[in-house]
Amino acid sequence: QVQLQESGPGLVKPSQTLSLTCTVSGDSISSSNYYWSWIRQPAGKELEWIGRIYISGSTNYNPSLKSRVTMSMDTSKNQFSLRLSSVTAADTAMYYCASAQLVRGFHAFDIWGQGTVATVSS
Amino acid sequence: DIQMTQSPSTLPASVGDRITITCRASQSIGSWLAWYQQKPGKAPNLLIYKASSLEIGVPSRFSGSGSGTEFTLTISSLQPDDFATYYCQRYNNYQYSFGQGTKLEIK
Repeated sequence: QVQLQESGPGLVKPSQTLSLTCTVSGDSISSSNYYWSWIRQPAGKELEWIGRIYISGSTNYNPSLKSRVTMSMDTSKNQFSLRLSSVTAADTAMYYCASAQLVRGFHAFDIWGQGTVATVSS
Repeated sequence: DIQMTQSPSTLPASVGDRITITCRASQSIGSWLAWYQQKPGKAPNLLIYKASSLEIGVPSRFSGSGSGTEFTLTISSLQPDDFATYYCQRYNNYQYSFGQGTKLEIK
């Protein structure tokens, strides 16, 4: 069973770059059966999809965040990462990594990490 | 950009009730619609995928229906563990987005 675990600094200063990592266990991140995504949720608010990455290296990003988002993979560590630049207080949220599997047409997120809180504050 | 509109935003209900939550898409998304349950402090949990397919391990009192632009999540007989927030989520054109959520409250 695949498990996901987010990690990263909990506090980031305004205008700096937020960097988060998701470590995958239970299967290879190189498998063609998964798209790997980041999703965030400000406290008390709805979920917002940030972007996804595939083993081929292809990425898709939320148009509202695209100019500030970069996702990458490190197959040697079985990890994928998020970088969000020029952060403001509006980027303060719980950040989840999640997977969408081929068996469901890559359309639904069936495995989620527990989430990590990122706070933007000076 | 496709917008997802969930209703109601809050739903008071009692144990044993049958409830329905609606999700509407601003344009057709076929059957690429999923439903999640989220409890406070926890990650969302997938209930339904492809509009009507029950995820493994999810109780059969949960069901989904619809296609195109209108979808529903039904819980046939509410149990105490079902009081939570529910989200719909669409996928098309390599993009995902979620509805605003429906908080199911004890009446």
